Amino acid sequence: NAGVTQTPKFQVLKTGQSMTLQCAQDMNHEYMSWYRQDPGMGLRLIHYSVGAGITDQGEVPNGYNVSRSTTEDFPLRLLSAAPSQTSVYFCATKKYRDKLYEQYFGPGTRLTVT
Amino acid sequence: AQKVTQAQTEISVVEKEDVTLDCVYETRDTTYYLFWYKQPPSGELVFLIRRNSFDEQNEISGRYSWNFQKSTSSFNFTITASQVVDSAVYFCALSEENLPINNDMRFGAGTRLTVKP
Repeated sequence: NAGVTQTPKFQVLKTGQSMTLQCAQDMNHEYMSWYRQDPGMGLRLIHYSVGAGITDQGEVPNGYNVSRSTTEDFPLRLLSAAPSQTSVYFCATKKYRDKLYEQYFGPGTRLTVT
Repeated sequence: AQKVTQAQTEISVVEKEDVTLDCVYETRDTTYYLFWYKQPPSGELVFLIRRNSFDEQNEISGRYSWNFQKSTSSFNFTITASQVVDSAVYFCALSEENLPINNDMRFGAGTRLTVKP
């Protein structure tokens, strides 16, 4: 299993540009989510999905869109990038098993908006 | 609302010293999960441990140990005989759910540990 993969690893955008951060998983996990990591703030939830066709907002959703057309993929779209979106983005999946759940993180995408 | 506090922003120790990273949490739920993650300079998040609220047994894994105390809402992490490779940012996290209906995993701000040779 590849686990959770994210592309690209690094990206530089200019203010106003749009782009999509890709996240894919091969573990058949229903639950997927996107976090952003900023210095001194830990990880904050942007959007999440409990299954194909279902998405919802997290703590910091403004400026981002998501969709979940398949179980495997959960792309994050920046419609008009802003310098405040400079961050490291992590995709995560979650599996519920034996009354416990496990969370898996992708390797992250480092985004710089100039 | 749930909250995770890691009061230590940065810690610096010399190799072979023991070091404890503090984590204090707030939650109204009786069932919750606590986590520790390590983020080395390479940037990935490495899962270290998950602890359930109904299991207060402390855990030891090699040089790592975790002290879970519900009475003080703390889940502290101790590294014994620290090594340079332990240098990383460590995150404590809390989740109240036991079903993946919604996501409320809350992270602390992280503690940057530097182990000097």
